[in-house]
Amino acid sequence: GQQVMQIPQYQHVQEGEDFTTYCNSSTTLSNIQWYKQRPGGHPVFLIQLVKSGEVKKQKRLTFQFGEAKKNSSLHITATQTTDVGTYFCADTEETSGSRLTFGEGTQLTVNP
Amino acid sequence: GAGVSQSPRYKVAKRGQDVALRCDPISGHVSLFWYQQALGQGPEFLTYFQNEAQLDKSGLPSDRFFAERPEGSVSTLKIQRTQQEDSAVYLCASSSRDGDSPLHFGNGTRLTVT
Repeated sequence: GQQVMQIPQYQHVQEGEDFTTYCNSSTTLSNIQWYKQRPGGHPVFLIQLVKSGEVKKQKRLTFQFGEAKKNSSLHITATQTTDVGTYFCADTEETSGSRLTFGEGTQLTVNP
Repeated sequence: GAGVSQSPRYKVAKRGQDVALRCDPISGHVSLFWYQQALGQGPEFLTYFQNEAQLDKSGLPSDRFFAERPEGSVSTLKIQRTQQEDSAVYLCASSSRDGDSPLHFGNGTRLTVT
């Protein structure tokens, strides 16, 4: 079945450093959604990317969709302790048109 | 303006017991999803409803798992004869339509099978 791979699995940064997580697929992604899950919490929707090469920004967060629609990235500038959590990318499977397939996530810890 | 509500928040079951997990989606949301999340893993798809119709149940791991949404709103995920490998967080999510809509997740039910 479709697999969405995320790297790295873990990332530890000092507060103020930048952070990037990558989402890769061997097949073309229909669209990408990004979610954040705080420790002990539930996934919360951040953004959706649909178009090839699309770039979207939310304050310190920058989301990119690759030109070939086979990869995506989330970059956080100048991390803060409030950024702590696990970041998941998820893709809608074209065959089902409904289910989201989630990556394994990147767990971010920020040292103050 | 409540979000997705799940109950119970925690459930401990002895191996072999049946459990029922409830999900109350956001009012008016057509689509409802169940996901299973093991510790340190991403959510794994279980099943999907559009209104009362169960359109995809391909993610249910065995015939011990059963889900229903009889009136197109509240949904119940039932697990019969629970096994230790069923221990996980069960997440319910709803969206206003299917396909590319963002999912709104509940807080989940943490199931521990002893």
